[in-house]
Amino acid sequence: GAVVSQHPSRVICKSGTSVKIECRSLDFQATTMFWYRQFPKKSLMLMATSNEGSKATYEQGVEKDKFLINHASLTLSTLTVTSAHPEDSSFYICSARGPGAEQYFGPGTRLTVT
Amino acid sequence: GEDVEQSLFLSVREGDSSVINCTYTDSSSTYLYWYKQEPGAGLQLLTYIFSNMDMKQDQRLTVLLNKKDKHLSLRIADTQTGDSAIYFCAAYTGTASKLTFGTGTRLQVTL
Repeated sequence: GAVVSQHPSRVICKSGTSVKIECRSLDFQATTMFWYRQFPKKSLMLMATSNEGSKATYEQGVEKDKFLINHASLTLSTLTVTSAHPEDSSFYICSARGPGAEQYFGPGTRLTVT
Repeated sequence: GEDVEQSLFLSVREGDSSVINCTYTDSSSTYLYWYKQEPGAGLQLLTYIFSNMDMKQDQRLTVLLNKKDKHLSLRIADTQTGDSAIYFCAAYTGTASKLTFGTGTRLQVTL
């Protein structure tokens, strides 16, 4: 299957700082990318949908000024958690949808805010 | 909006078949997916089925779709210990242009 990478896989940051997570589709062009958050032993919660070159669409309850999404190209999307707080600690997973029906997921980024 | 439900846990013996069930509510769902998640990892796409299909087979995996009852199942033949993981079903609707995930089913394979 197609490969989606995320970087970093783990990050620890101090409260109040910002963290950027990169998501890349390595062997296909992703028209749409998604960012999810997963709490322990829970399902995935969609945070936002981004299309290349346009503003992201955020799900209800997700603060767009806190979770900045940029979809700079057909292979790269970034999520920046601004002014991070301990409650932002979570597992963040990106996903990329190609021209067909497949939707592939990255390996996830474990964010810990101290 | 779409609601996707799964049972939380399934335990099977190695070598037996596993059947993981899923129900969804939106009859306009066009694609239905099965993903596997191992601890600390992302989601691995196992297979998906278009809504106008009843069945799809891919090696040890068989997906059955009952569109009338909005019921999806994943059968894993000859289940191995490496199949132990959480399995998520997901439904895609074109109007919402996004996947809605079930709660995930934890599959435990015992010797």
